[in-house]
Amino acid sequence: AAGVIQSPRHLIKEKRETATLKCYPIPRHDTVYWYQQGPGQDPQFLISFYEKMQSDKGSIPDRFSAQQFSDYHSELNMSSLELGDSALYFCASSLGQMNTEAFFGQGTRLTVV
Amino acid sequence: GESVGLHLPTLSVQEGDNSIINCAYSNSASDYFIWYKQESGKGPQFIIDIRSNMDKRQGQRVTVLLNKTVKHLSLQIAATQPGDSAVYFCAENINSGYSTLTFGKGTMLLVSP
Repeated sequence: AAGVIQSPRHLIKEKRETATLKCYPIPRHDTVYWYQQGPGQDPQFLISFYEKMQSDKGSIPDRFSAQQFSDYHSELNMSSLELGDSALYFCASSLGQMNTEAFFGQGTRLTVV
Repeated sequence: GESVGLHLPTLSVQEGDNSIINCAYSNSASDYFIWYKQESGKGPQFIIDIRSNMDKRQGQRVTVLLNKTVKHLSLQIAATQPGDSAVYFCAENINSGYSTLTFGKGTMLLVSP
């Protein structure tokens, strides 16, 4: 079965650079979530989209932005990268946005040097 | 063996034992809960969910118990296998109307052959 696809799997950036992470949800899923997971930490919710509109917002820094496109894929744009942004970034998708199972991708490991 | 979540972040058991992983959730208004398994370098993988109108749900080798009075979740794994070794997170839907999940602190389960 198709799963959530994230790209790239690994990314190395320097401080103050920008990065774009991509997420392709499971076909027919209309909701996308972004999570950040630091080393040894639990995943922290950043932002979500339902039907291409932002639906919920968590602890996403102002330096980050995201959107969901007409084909339901989503991109997380990160600017002015800081060392503390180094983390695993997970995308999850679900069908609908009301108390429904979210399926996670394999994540993008971002390292800021 | 039994874990008390934050106070015992690593649970070590022998193959064939039953494992119990505990989680204290934060919001009494949360109405949907999921247990996720996360292997090293991979995204969280759905194990089992439960809604707040239930106090027990069983899956294949897994059982989730929900005690809303004390805001406590537990995951029971029967006949634990080495392949069950991973970090286990409980997650709650803390924002009514959205499927945004708030993750609890993980518990590492180590299964020895």
